[in-house]
Amino acid sequence: EDQVTQSPEALRLQEGESSSLNCSYTVSGLRGLFWYRQDPGKGPEFLFTLYSAGEEKEKERLKATLTKKESFLHITAPKPEDSATYLCAVYPSGGGSARQLTFGSGTQLTVLP
Amino acid sequence: DTGVSQDPRHKITKRGQNVTFRCDPISEHNRLYWYRQTLGQGPEFLTYFQNEAQLEKSRLLSDRFSAERPKGSFSTLEIQRTEQGDSAMYLCASSPRGGNTGELFFGEGSRLTVL
Repeated sequence: EDQVTQSPEALRLQEGESSSLNCSYTVSGLRGLFWYRQDPGKGPEFLFTLYSAGEEKEKERLKATLTKKESFLHITAPKPEDSATYLCAVYPSGGGSARQLTFGSGTQLTVLP
Repeated sequence: DTGVSQDPRHKITKRGQNVTFRCDPISEHNRLYWYRQTLGQGPEFLTYFQNEAQLEKSRLLSDRFSAERPKGSFSTLEIQRTEQGDSAMYLCASSPRGGNTGELFFGEGSRLTVL
């Protein structure tokens, strides 16, 4: 069964203090890994898609990277508006449908001014 | 275009009552998904429509849950004989034909509280 584990569960940073969030996954064949941002009381908002080890994507202060076992979301010089829960998700492997994303539990990021 | 719209945003009901949620996807999107999210957890897949056809259902979707998408436009999710364990945020998402199928556009959700 596919598993997605995110760490840490919660992270508090000072404004400008760079850090990384981790998403480790167990799938028999990765067909895609996705990062989403979720603000309190809102639905998730898509950030990135990664398909193969070594791939990187960037958007403003965020950079997502992928290895064969995990993905990192690097946050450079974060600002308070980056505070949110960051979720990663994978496509199911084997014969599973590409429609059913499996999400991790998320990392709740708080950036203090 | 205002994105995916869900109604109601909040619903409080008593155990045993039926509830219905509505989702209006982005107009040109033919794919529609329902997910459920409980506090501190990521969303869990419930069901998927392509146009009006319900193509996939999760094992999580018991026979008390039913979803429809008449005419391939809006969708409804009905929960019959609600239980306290049904308390959650119900999220609807849509995506376009031919798009990156991991890129879902989520609504703001309908939060259900069962007393």
